Amino acid sequence: EEQLVQSGAEVKKPGESLKISCKVSGYTFTTYWVAWVRQTPGKVLEWMGIIYPGDSDTRYSPSFQGQVTISADKSINTAYLQWSSLKASDTAIYYCVRPTTTSMATFGYWGQGTLITVSS
Amino acid sequence: QSALTQPASVSGSPGQSITISCTGTSSDIIGYDYVSWYQQHPGKVPKLIIYDVSHRPSGVSNRFSGSKSGNTASLTISGLQAEDEADYYCSSYTTSRSWVFGGGTKLTVL
Repeated sequence: EEQLVQSGAEVKKPGESLKISCKVSGYTFTTYWVAWVRQTPGKVLEWMGIIYPGDSDTRYSPSFQGQVTISADKSINTAYLQWSSLKASDTAIYYCVRPTTTSMATFGYWGQGTLITVSS
Repeated sequence: QSALTQPASVSGSPGQSITISCTGTSSDIIGYDYVSWYQQHPGKVPKLIIYDVSHRPSGVSNRFSGSKSGNTASLTISGLQAEDEADYYCSSYTTSRSWVFGGGTKLTVL
């Protein structure tokens, strides 16, 4: 069974750094891209960026370019999302997602979400 | 990339049919048949219910159907049930090789 299991909730202060993870199982990690989706407290969903674990090719939404870094470690089947300096506006739930086997352009599998709270 | 436009809320009575629209631009919905719909119950993870405009994943009720005309995609739920009360989001692949979501629609079953 394909699974994406994310790291736990975090409470951070503005300016702090953070790296959250998404460990996949039940399939070959390098076969499918992994993307990150943000859900704001107002419940808006936003696509942040994508990584192809096979070659680590990465693309970002213009809204998130330079604000976050997406990476992957093939040796442990894990994708990451990191910030070097968090802001209060980064408070949200972050999901890692993967396509289905029948459509590479849809978010078929979702991690359970990681709640990030940034507050002084 | 601007968000796709969805109505903030729709409502219907049990047994009725409702349709949720999702309006985009020539950079997304018009250009590709890669529109998806997601259902999210409170406190839960979004769940894929329609992909590639009109395809249902295994296990999703056939009461859910999708379509597209021009720059507008639609999700129709027939035979409305109490359990359908949730937030619904559309998404489309774009010409920028990215994805864009709609703002979400809250469905209330009266």
